Amino acid sequence: GAGVSQSPSNKVTEKGKDVELRCDPISGHTALYWYRQSLGQGLEFLIYFQGNSAPDKSGLPSDRFSAERTGGSVSTLTIQRTQQEDSAVYLCASSLAPGNEQFFGPGTRLTVL
Amino acid sequence: GQSLEQPSEVTAVEGAIVQINCTYQTSGFYGLSWYQQHDGGAPTFLSYNALDGLEETGRFSSFLSRSDSYGYLLLQELQMKDSASYFCAVFLYGGATNKLIFGTGTLLAVQP
Repeated sequence: GAGVSQSPSNKVTEKGKDVELRCDPISGHTALYWYRQSLGQGLEFLIYFQGNSAPDKSGLPSDRFSAERTGGSVSTLTIQRTQQEDSAVYLCASSLAPGNEQFFGPGTRLTVL
Repeated sequence: GQSLEQPSEVTAVEGAIVQINCTYQTSGFYGLSWYQQHDGGAPTFLSYNALDGLEETGRFSSFLSRSDSYGYLLLQELQMKDSASYFCAVFLYGGATNKLIFGTGTLLAVQP
């Protein structure tokens, strides 16, 4: 596809369950980022990948959050034992190289009941 | 820490000019970016200032003054479709760091 895609677009889960969110970056983009946006708030950085490695995980809010990237392409963000405060829109972005413009996907809206 | 402040809401009429300010308490950043986000949509890149001064892209201009810790986005000839949220973001880049730190966002309402 032409842009960054994310799936699912919406996810409703029960407190305590694990969820996996997927990001397909723009083909050829080496850098990939995850952000979180709570209702009416700005975007909060979570993690940055260069290739398959994550040099900057400083934004992950707790050890319940993890992410991986395989083949220098698709990334999954996993949230274990979800809590209600995890409810937010999770946005993925990619850039051709570190330092270049970041292109955002449409996001996954996560609701934890 | 890093923080960026923006007005929460701005209202203007079609055809007018509006300025959205961004003040920050951040050091060592690479540049200042501006993003537009329509309700429920993905943020889209508008403008980037690596150096102090004015950058112009069509109806949108952006300004940065590092000495004043201040930037702004200027939208001219406002159209109804410009109604959206606008975010400034500092770009932190170097070593292992490569991320955008976003401001609080400004909701722009364009009225007929």
